[in-house]
Amino acid sequence: EIVLTQSPGTLSLSPGERATLSCRASQSVSSSYLAWYQQKPGQAPRLLIYGASSRATGIPDRFSGSGSGTDFTLTISRLEPEDFAVYYCQQGGTFGPGTKVDIK
Amino acid sequence: QVQLQESGPGLVKPSQTLSLTCTVSGGSISSGDYYWSWIRQPPGKGLEWIGYIYYSGSTYYNPSLKSRVTISVDTSKNQFSLKLSSVTAADTAVYYCARGGDYYDSSGYYPYYFDYWGQGTLVTVSS
Repeated sequence: EIVLTQSPGTLSLSPGERATLSCRASQSVSSSYLAWYQQKPGQAPRLLIYGASSRATGIPDRFSGSGSGTDFTLTISRLEPEDFAVYYCQQGGTFGPGTKVDIK
Repeated sequence: QVQLQESGPGLVKPSQTLSLTCTVSGGSISSGDYYWSWIRQPPGKGLEWIGYIYYSGSTYYNPSLKSRVTISVDTSKNQFSLKLSSVTAADTAVYYCARGGDYYDSSGYYPYYFDYWGQGTLVTVSS
């Protein structure tokens, strides 16, 4: 069973800054099947990225995904106020524990 | 625009069976292009995939829950359902239904992504 580790646990940044979130898998995974989600309090998760680097419908281009093998990254180029949330990676039936991006 | 809506009891007693239904609108479960999943999230914690079903009735479950989970589909009502037996307090969570795609590798079928989600329903296990 693949285990996904996300770092950091919390990322404190200011609006306009760049956010870099990491997702590491315990064994090599096909990058074709790595997804990222955003979740705000009281809301369901929202699909951001699938296939490691493809943006889902309606997702702004400030969100980008990259990586392969065991190391994947979600980058938010310039944080907007609405981007402060928890972000999860997912591979197969496993989710990572999440990274919280909060306002510094 | 596809919409999903969970329904069912918000309170279940320990050792009993949790039952939820997801009603899909704006799209047909029978289209065959997607699978239909259940995912849960204990309060203040992360996400756990429970299992998914195709319109044909084929199911795939999280091994950690497989012995207690049954997912079924009713294409005539455009609904799919979750039953989780022998519940304990550890099963208290917000339960989401979701649509997604899957993939196949040498180990079997797995969820690929979840693109549409219900709003979630909190189920508390307590006497």
